[in-house]
This record gives sequence, structure tokens and C-alpha cells, in this order.
Amino acid sequence: DAGVIQSPRHEVTEMGQEVTLRCKPISGHDYLFWYRQTMMRGLELLIYFNNNVPIDDSGMPEDRFSAKMPNASFSTLKIQPSEPRDSAVYFCASREYMNTEAFFGQGTRLTVV
Amino acid sequence: GENVGLHLPTLSVQEGDNSIINCAYSNSASDYFIWYKQESGKGPQFIIDIRSNMDKRQGQRVTVLLNKTVKHLSLQIAATQPGDSAVYFCAENYGTASKLTFGTGTRLQVTL
Repeated sequence: DAGVIQSPRHEVTEMGQEVTLRCKPISGHDYLFWYRQTMMRGLELLIYFNNNVPIDDSGMPEDRFSAKMPNASFSTLKIQPSEPRDSAVYFCASREYMNTEAFFGQGTRLTVV
Repeated sequence: GENVGLHLPTLSVQEGDNSIINCAYSNSASDYFIWYKQESGKGPQFIIDIRSNMDKRQGQRVTVLLNKTVKHLSLQIAATQPGDSAVYFCAENYGTASKLTFGTGTRLQVTL
């Protein structure tokens, strides 16, 4: 397996535009996590899914953020409209089942200007 | 990754010495813990894990200690090498919720 795959690796967009980040988890993994990493706040959990169902979205900062998992092999994190303070590295991770390690993708570096 | 060390505690050790990185976790109900290593521009990588029914676990050159009484984890790295330079995070898992959250991280600098 190629591991968790995220796209794009880098995204630069103008304030107000819609941004969509994509993630392909490791095949057979039941859990998928979205994290945001910044200097000020470290690694924050935004939302996670179990068997494609959102379990906890309490970390999603605002209604501008939304995440979906239409099937077991694909998830998206969307920001609409984007703002400069959304600039960060966004990581997706997956784990096979409870109480196992999570495997991370390489991240998407988002810059909103 | 966005872990430039302005707000991160930093541990400097000489090559060959042992390193000890500490972490205080937040939830007394957490039952599973993981240490991750993050190098610049990469995602966190798994190092070692421990379940709450254990107080010590050893891997290759690494040992994790868990003290549930004071909600404390430590990562010991033996014979630290330049390739160990990175930011290290502890993560805790909340029981049945399977929610995985991370601490603030510690930057390890290995000097020659």
C-alpha cells in the first residue's frame, strides 16, 4: 500500500475562494482523521470518521469548514470561503481500528493570501 | 510541517547520549498512547505505543514509560543520533470514542 495519500501537496489561493483538500486513506482502515497544524496551535484534530460516518466534528473551527467521506477510500475537507487565518498544513491520517497507530499523509500546505 | 520551534520546548543532547522527552496528557480516561516523530516537511511518523494496562514498553533504542497516577508519559532514546533530530509528539486516545489528540511537541536537537 502506498500509505495515506493527500492532494494537493501545496495550495495557494486568494481569500474568499473555495478550497478542497483530498485524502485517500490506507485500504482497510476504518478510521480517518483530519488535523490542522500551525505554529500557534500545534496539531489540532478537526474531525474524524469511523466507517465513513463522522463521529466527532467538535474541532472544526467554523461553518466555513466541512468534511465528507463518501466512501471508504476517499475524503475531502472543504473551506468556503477561505481566509488568511486558515493558512496551515492540513494532515489526513487513517487507522485500522481502535487503539492502533494512525498513519499520516504528507500533508497539504495551504496558503490563503 | 508547521512546527517551527518558537513555542516548542527544545531539548539539546550530544550525539551518543540518551534523551528523555516528557509529556503530560490531559484525560485520565485515555487508554492508549503513541509517540510520533515529525521531521521538517513531513507528516508525523509512528515510533512506539503503549496501552494503559502497561507502565513500560521497549522498542529498538526507544522506551516509553507511562505513569497514570500523574498522567505522564516519557520517551527515552538511547544513544541519540543526528537522525533523531525532529519534533516529538505524544498522542492520547480516548477509550471507546477512539479520538486521537496530540500534545504540543518537543524539539530534539542532536549536536555532534
